[in-house]
Amino acid sequence: AQSVAQPEDQVNVAEGNPLTVKCTYSVSGNPYLFWYVQYPNRGLQFLLKYITGDNLVKGSYGFEAEFNKSQTSFHLKKPSALVSDSALYFCAVRDLDNYGQNFVFGPGTRLSVLP
Amino acid sequence: DTGVSQDPRHKITKRGQNVTFRCDPISEHNRLYWYRQTLGQGPEFLTYFQNEAQLEKSRLLSDRFSAERPKGSFSTLEIQRTEQGDSAMYLCASSSGIKDRNTIYFGEGSWLTVV
Repeated sequence: AQSVAQPEDQVNVAEGNPLTVKCTYSVSGNPYLFWYVQYPNRGLQFLLKYITGDNLVKGSYGFEAEFNKSQTSFHLKKPSALVSDSALYFCAVRDLDNYGQNFVFGPGTRLSVLP
Repeated sequence: DTGVSQDPRHKITKRGQNVTFRCDPISEHNRLYWYRQTLGQGPEFLTYFQNEAQLEKSRLLSDRFSAERPKGSFSTLEIQRTEQGDSAMYLCASSSGIKDRNTIYFGEGSWLTVV
């Protein structure tokens, strides 16, 4: 079965500092990995994904994420946080070798960027 | 290219009533998903359509829930005899079967409050 863990409920960072939001996953096959962001009372917006290729993937709004197969992690990073980055962030996985279409989401991490 | 559209955005209903949500996916996306999100949780998979065929259903989708996609375009999610535990945001997402098929794009969600 697929699963995603986001070990931190909340991450606080000062504006201008680098940020990291952690994600670890478990799949039986090869993973497709995703990050989505959700602003209050809104749907989820796609940020970036890892399918194959370079372990460092770049996405929207200056975010990037690093796939680490040995640690089964896919942490989201940004070199310099903005107050407007404050939102709820979800990591998701789809098992490439499981032909089901179920994208499994983590519980979310609330990011607060303090001015 | 318009995004995924959901209607209504908010619905308050009395326990025992039926409600129906509509989702219009991104044009030419042949895959459509319904997810449910409760406060403080990540989205949970409910069901998946490829064109008009409902190919997967989660065990979360009790017999009070039914989803259709009659012409392979828009979809409806109906909840019969609503219960207070049905209060949640219902998210629709779509993806292309060809281009960028591994990314799902969400609508703004439909909030349901059962009183």
